[in-house]
Formats: sequence, structure tokens, C-alpha cells
Amino acid sequence: KQEVTQIPAALSVPEGENLVLNCSFTDSAIYNLQWFRQDPGKGLTSLLLIQSSQREQTSGRLNASLDKSSGRSTLYIAASQPGDSATYLCAVAGGGSNYKLTFGKGTLLTVNP
Amino acid sequence: DTGVSQNPRHKITKRGQNVTFRCDPISEHNRLYWYRQTLGQGPEFLTYFQNEAQLEKSRLLSDRFSAERPKGSFSTLEIQRTEQGDSAMYLCASSLAGTSGNTIYFGEGSWLTVV
Repeated sequence: KQEVTQIPAALSVPEGENLVLNCSFTDSAIYNLQWFRQDPGKGLTSLLLIQSSQREQTSGRLNASLDKSSGRSTLYIAASQPGDSATYLCAVAGGGSNYKLTFGKGTLLTVNP
Repeated sequence: DTGVSQNPRHKITKRGQNVTFRCDPISEHNRLYWYRQTLGQGPEFLTYFQNEAQLEKSRLLSDRFSAERPKGSFSTLEIQRTEQGDSAMYLCASSLAGTSGNTIYFGEGSWLTVV
């Protein structure tokens, strides 16, 4: 059974810092990995998707990497802003399907002005 | 593209009552999913439709839960004889099969509180 772990559970940084969020998964047979953002009481916003054949994806100040063999992904946020404060969730699609996501518990990020 | 729409956004119900949630996916998306999320946890997969066919159901989906997608467009999730343990946010998501990577888009969720 796939298990996804996110470290740290919570992170507080001053505005302007670069930061890294970590995600690990136990079964490397995945189709893809997706990073989401969730604001309090809201749904999920897709940030980046990395297919299993890819090593990284970039969107603006966000960069996600994938090392499938070691079961790890990182989300790098450059020049953090208070508006980046949210919970960041990592999810992998695998177990024979490219549609069923297994999520971690998320990292709660607070960026202080 | 108006995104995935869910309603109601919030529902408070007494234990034992039935509740129904509706999801309208992104218009061209043929795949639709339901997830459940409790406080401090990541979402958990409940069920998946491709067009109108329900192709997978999680063991989390007890016989009190039923989901439909009658014409391959909107979907409903009904919970019968609600229990306090059903209190959670129910998330609907959609995607387009065959697109690169199958990016899944989520709605804002429907909060259920059972009292």
C-alpha cells in the first residue's frame, strides 16, 4: 500500500526566504506526482504535475523535482511571500492507475511579513 | 472554464438524516472523482467515474454511501443515515483522460457536520 509522508508538518519563514518542502513515497511504481495548495477551509489548487519520466517541473517561483528511484520529491519556493501561506499537499498516482491519488498530510507554511 | 463546482458548500445535519452533495465538473472532463478529507489529514479517495460508469469504489465507501453520474456530466454523492464519523469535507475533482499527465482539478469542497 502506497504511503506518502511530508516533512516538515509545519514551517514558518520570514518573507523573502527560499524554502523547500519534502515529500516521500514508499512505492516507486508511480505514474505521476502532483503538488497542490490548500487554503484554510478551501479546496485544492493544482500547482505542478511531474510525470514519472520527468525529473522536474517549474511554474513561476515554484520548482518541483522528482527522484522516483528514491521515492522523493521536493517543492522549492523562491522568494516567499505572505500570500504563499497555505497547506501544501503532495499526491502520487500509482498502484496500477493514473487517476487515484494518495496524499500526504501536508505541510502548513506560514510566511511572515 | 468555470472550474469544478460543488454545492452545497456547507451542510449541518442531524444524525440519521440523509444528505446529498452535487458536483459539476469542468465541462469537457470525462473523469470525475470524489474524495473525503478530515481535519489535519490529506484527502482520501472514495470513488471514480469515467463518463457515466463508476469504475472504482474505495472500501471507505460503505453501503450508506452512493454516488451517481447519470449522464456523464454532473455527479451526486448521497450519504444515508448519517453518523458523526461522516463529518468531513467532501471534495469532487475532474480530469480529462488522455491528456498529458492527467492533471486533476478539485472543487472547493462540501463541508458536512453531523450533530
